Amino acid sequence: AQSVTQPDIHITVSEGASLELRCNYSYGATPYLFWYVQSPGQGLQLLLKYFSGDTLVQGIKGFEAEFKRSQSSFNLRKPSVHWSDAAEYFCAVERNNFNKFYFGSGTKLNVKP
Amino acid sequence: GAVVSQHPSRVICKSGTSVKIECRSLDFQATTMFWYRQFPKQSLMLMATSNEGSKATYEQGVEKDKFLINHASLTLSTLTVTSAHPEDSSFYICSARDFYNEQFFGPGTRLTVL
Repeated sequence: AQSVTQPDIHITVSEGASLELRCNYSYGATPYLFWYVQSPGQGLQLLLKYFSGDTLVQGIKGFEAEFKRSQSSFNLRKPSVHWSDAAEYFCAVERNNFNKFYFGSGTKLNVKP
Repeated sequence: GAVVSQHPSRVICKSGTSVKIECRSLDFQATTMFWYRQFPKQSLMLMATSNEGSKATYEQGVEKDKFLINHASLTLSTLTVTSAHPEDSSFYICSARDFYNEQFFGPGTRLTVL
């Protein structure tokens, strides 16, 4: 069965520190991969996505993610976190051509001043 | 970017009543709209997929008679929770897919059933 795992429920980092949020998926083929951010009371905003090609994907707000087929992972990174990055982050996969998204359970990011 | 709105943002109702939630794509036409349910501290679970002018496709385990979905136009989909009970209390999120297959999410509706 399709599944998306975000092993870290909560992460706290200091402002200016680097960040890595983990995401693993289980699926027979390479799905489309996404990272979304959700601020309280707001909808999901797309940070970046991977369909094919270069495995290092650049997104908005200085985020990037790397697809590693051998590890079935799509980890999100940012070299220097800002206080405004505090939010909940969701990894999602879409089975090719099925139009169905499967979301991870989310990682809540806190940023210390 | 494209905007998807939901109305209402919060609703409290008595057990046994029905509640309608609207999802609108404000500046684009949505070929497909999706409805998700998000439990506290859990991920979004896809409930159903709706295409304009056709019946919604429900995910396994979702009661189609309880969660009525109508996709009357390319900019509006509604979810009606019929005979709501406390266990239906949740955060409901819709999304809309544009002609370029990008999916945009609404801000969500918090439903509380007393």
